[in-house]
Amino acid sequence: GAGVSQTPSNKVTEKGKYVELRCDPISGHTALYWYRQSLGQGPEFLIYFQGTGAADDSGLPNDRFFAVRPEGSVSTLKIQRTERGDSAVYLCASSLLSGAGGELFFGEGSRLTVL
Amino acid sequence: GIQVEQSPPDLILQEGANSTLRCNFSDSVNNLQWFHQNPWGQLINLFYIPSGTKQNGRLSATTVATERYSLLYISSSQTTDSGVYFCAVETQGGSEKLVFGKGMKLTVNP
Repeated sequence: GAGVSQTPSNKVTEKGKYVELRCDPISGHTALYWYRQSLGQGPEFLIYFQGTGAADDSGLPNDRFFAVRPEGSVSTLKIQRTERGDSAVYLCASSLLSGAGGELFFGEGSRLTVL
Repeated sequence: GIQVEQSPPDLILQEGANSTLRCNFSDSVNNLQWFHQNPWGQLINLFYIPSGTKQNGRLSATTVATERYSLLYISSSQTTDSGVYFCAVETQGGSEKLVFGKGMKLTVNP
């Protein structure tokens, strides 16, 4: 596609439920990133994929968060046993260069609200 | 980790005014990007500028990597320039991820 596509754009769920957020990167981009943005803050890094493998998952807050990219294209961020503190906008980005210094392009984000 | 500081934190302008946004960072970088986050939350790429100077219409940016800062210039501001501006950097030799500043909220009044 022309840009990074994220679905759903909005998700409202109840505390304790399981959530999946999907990211479809720009075609041909090998690097894929997940960020989380809380109100009034800058985006915070969660995880970065080079191809199918997670090259850096140091930003995942705890073991309730997991992400996959099985075929090196679409990625899914999975959140188990959601908590109210997980409410945020989850942003996905992709980059053409599979290495340092690549320009990142962001999707419109998935707004998660945990009641 | 690397520290990214943006100034000023907030700015209010009248339409037509010029402004300069500053980004200081604490370590050497191999990637620096400026983004504009519109009211709908979309992060729009403005500049990919790890060093040097670039211009795009009314916007221009300069990064002086040796002195660890970058500047974003907005000339003849318009109400559509309103939003939050972020500077984000990637450290040399570090993990290949962008670290964002806290952002600068710009309001341009008609």
